[in-house]
Amino acid sequence: EPEVTQTPSHQVTQMGQEVILRCVPISNHLYFYWYRQILGQKVEFLVSFYNNEISEKSEIFDDQFSVERPDGSNFTLKIRSTKLEDSAMYFCASSLGREVEAFFGQGTRLTVV
Amino acid sequence: GDSVTQMEGPVTLSEEAFLTINCTYTATGYPSLFWYVQYPGEGLQLLLKATKADDKGSNKGFEATYRKETTSFHLEKGSVQVSDSAVYFCALRGLDSWGKLQFGAGTQVVVTP
Repeated sequence: EPEVTQTPSHQVTQMGQEVILRCVPISNHLYFYWYRQILGQKVEFLVSFYNNEISEKSEIFDDQFSVERPDGSNFTLKIRSTKLEDSAMYFCASSLGREVEAFFGQGTRLTVV
Repeated sequence: GDSVTQMEGPVTLSEEAFLTINCTYTATGYPSLFWYVQYPGEGLQLLLKATKADDKGSNKGFEATYRKETTSFHLEKGSVQVSDSAVYFCALRGLDSWGKLQFGAGTQVVVTP
């Protein structure tokens, strides 16, 4: 069964460093998303991406965040200068269309120290 | 803006007990409604969905009915198993969104033998 794959499963980084979280969406999907879940809090939408551009983003997704689909299979989330409060589980998701089911990866736990 | 409110956990039940997790929403028009489940150490999986009023979503013995009049989408299961222990998330997708999901805070369910 096709699945969304995220790497790494856990990343520890120093405050101020740049991190790139990687995702391989399901191959024929067209819409891609990043969400995050701070420990003990709700899952929050960060950004949606379609046709090689951001289609919607939340107020959390400020200038320190960027997304890219560099090679037609990967979908990455870059955090330019990490802060302690960026520590969270980051989920990637993909869907065939914007009105159908989104499939989620298992998440990357980011710990900023 | 759109929002989802679900009952706080943890909910602790004995095997074969009846489970209800309440979920209410605030949104414009007729959003699509979802229940996602997160088993320990895994990502989010779609459990069931409903896209219009009075629709009933069902899967794996779980059911939820889209009630427009009460803006609710409560999750129920008649007889839970230990394997149902997980965190359950209610979510909505608004009419004008690019697939963005708005999640509730999640409800942890613990089923004991």
